[in-house]
Amino acid sequence: SYELTQPPSVSVSPGQTARINCSGDVLPKQYAYWYQQRPGQAPLMVINKDTERPAGIPERFSGSSSGTTVTLTISGVQAEDEADYYCQSADNSATYVVFFGGGTKLNVL
Amino acid sequence: QVQLVQSGAEVKKPGASVKVSCKASGYSFASFYMHWVRQAPGQGLEWMGIINPSDVNTRYAQKFQGRVTMTRDMSTSTVYMELSNLTSEDTAVYFCTRGPTGEAELDSWGQGTLVTVSS
Repeated sequence: SYELTQPPSVSVSPGQTARINCSGDVLPKQYAYWYQQRPGQAPLMVINKDTERPAGIPERFSGSSSGTTVTLTISGVQAEDEADYYCQSADNSATYVVFFGGGTKLNVL
Repeated sequence: QVQLVQSGAEVKKPGASVKVSCKASGYSFASFYMHWVRQAPGQGLEWMGIINPSDVNTRYAQKFQGRVTMTRDMSTSTVYMELSNLTSEDTAVYFCTRGPTGEAELDSWGQGTLVTVSS
């Protein structure tokens, strides 16, 4: 199915580690991507192909994958990391489709 | 550097159509797919479809089949997304976003175009 499930919100204090999960049946077969979206801005890819960090993304952002769940980890969270985070995947088994998780609001307390 | 510059905000009446443009620069236009993603106020991201500028092949999300048309102009490196028969539920920010051929990542995004549908 084309569903990706994320928690609506995650809260952490500055300097702590934030983990955002994304689950979906397609994830053992297809890569996941993570995007950060600050208010009023376009999304920005922070993790590519489950675990790769694009150029210019801070090292505190990392990704992992296990079975039907992928995880975005932000180590040493900073105030500027407060944003919405979306996981995304795709499937071309029948017809090409791209789909997103519902998004997770990261609150930095 | 890669830039995707979209057209300005639009206000449309229910039943009308809207055409949003996305001008690409800083890379080989024909070598990357272009996707369209929209975001209703306070809501998440919703994929609408994809166009391959090199052969004009398109794929649309089932939800928008019959209402959306994606085209491109190679001479200006511009892609267009036209959505017809608008309702208030189409009020959203519409983004164009680039994807490498054969890959699902969305590595560069336009600034977004707000389309408001109101009588």
